[in-house]
Amino acid sequence: DQQVKQNSPSLSVQEGRISILNCDYTNSMFDYFLWYKKYPAEGPTFLISISSIKDKNEDGRFTVFLNKSAKHLSLHIVPSQPGDSAVYFCAARGMGGSARQLTFGSGTQLTVLP
Amino acid sequence: NAGVMQNPRHLVRRRGQEARLRCSPMKGHSHVYWYRQLPEEGLKFMVYLQKENIIDESGMPKERFSAEFPKEGPSILRIQQVVRGDSAAYFCASSFDRGHSNQPQHFGDGTRLSIL
Repeated sequence: DQQVKQNSPSLSVQEGRISILNCDYTNSMFDYFLWYKKYPAEGPTFLISISSIKDKNEDGRFTVFLNKSAKHLSLHIVPSQPGDSAVYFCAARGMGGSARQLTFGSGTQLTVLP
Repeated sequence: NAGVMQNPRHLVRRRGQEARLRCSPMKGHSHVYWYRQLPEEGLKFMVYLQKENIIDESGMPKERFSAEFPKEGPSILRIQQVVRGDSAAYFCASSFDRGHSNQPQHFGDGTRLSIL
């Protein structure tokens, strides 16, 4: 039972354009959402997060949008750069003191073309 | 280097041997998490530890796997009598927690375990 889904395994975007990566979740108990970027043979690198009490969080070129009613979040990267080419993982965390585990999606491979 | 440190980066074992994976959290972090990633999949939670305590091990296989985070030294993920299906990348993450504040988990570069 996949509680966090990234339905697009891959995405190609031209340099300078906007990249939009999508993520859906099914568990309404999730209250904190994160995006990670991962290069081959390295660990995931934290990019940006959003609490369920917000609908938008921005950090430089990265913006995350959360639509709780649709149980959907997206990551916007603008402008996209070739160095952004990586696998992007969406992750979610539940409420509660011991419920700190992250549930990950299967990832989207982003390729930014020069 | 103030990041999460994992060693070894690569570990090869024969079926039936033991594998020990080590993780030193970021400075000041007292919460450690272990995840496993199989090829073409996302990371799957295994266990969450604080110093000397296992808080949540709901993702750990019931047999052969154990984890500890002693008062001194790194966290250890131990796999006994390894089988081919244990081949995966194992990632450790750490976080700094203040009560219920939202703090991201920061990951190490993983240990790639190969079982011959």
